[in-house]
Amino acid sequence: EAGVAQSPRYKIIEKRQSVAFWCNPISGHATLYWYQQILGQGPKLLIQFQNNGVVDDSQLPKDRFSAERLKGVDSTLKIQPAKLEDSAVYLCASRQTGRYGYTFGSGTRLTVV
Amino acid sequence: GENVEQHPSTLSVQEGDSAVIKCTYSDSASNYFPWYKQELGKRPQLIIDIRSNVGEKKDQRIAVTLNKTAKHFSLHITETQPEDSAVYFCAASLIQGAQKLVFGQGTRLTINP
Repeated sequence: EAGVAQSPRYKIIEKRQSVAFWCNPISGHATLYWYQQILGQGPKLLIQFQNNGVVDDSQLPKDRFSAERLKGVDSTLKIQPAKLEDSAVYLCASRQTGRYGYTFGSGTRLTVV
Repeated sequence: GENVEQHPSTLSVQEGDSAVIKCTYSDSASNYFPWYKQELGKRPQLIIDIRSNVGEKKDQRIAVTLNKTAKHFSLHITETQPEDSAVYFCAASLIQGAQKLVFGQGTRLTINP
């Protein structure tokens, strides 16, 4: 099966600019996650979708981060305005209902300068 | 919420020796414990997982043990090979409901030839 697709792979922006990341999960996977992985740390959950509804966004900095999952398939994560501390890899993962493991995408490496 | 601590942060072993990575979790309700391997610049990949109704699970050279009473679980890699060099992450979650994985900080494993 095709994996989780993410784009872009790399992005460099200046602080206070905006940026958007895109994720296409594995076909049929109802649950989609966005994780933030700062260098040297484990992934931290930002937001979880079940189909097109938000299940958990308790750790999403809502003053600057937003995410949507239109039609329960693709998802977009946006940061506006970006801060230096947002430099990280943003990982998208999806999971099939009834299964336990996640499948991760290759991530987007964001550098804010 | 759940908190996962992982030790050691770095581990260096001779090729052919065994490696052990340990994790503790805080939420006694957690019942699913996966391990992910992340090679440099690549996506985390699930290598083995265990549910709380079993104490040990093996898959060729890797094994995971779980002690529910003490709330800790460990990854064991035997007969290590150079391709085992990577960062390993443990995680914990509830199988029921949202299944939100909380990750440890990661262990950088280096296999010395």
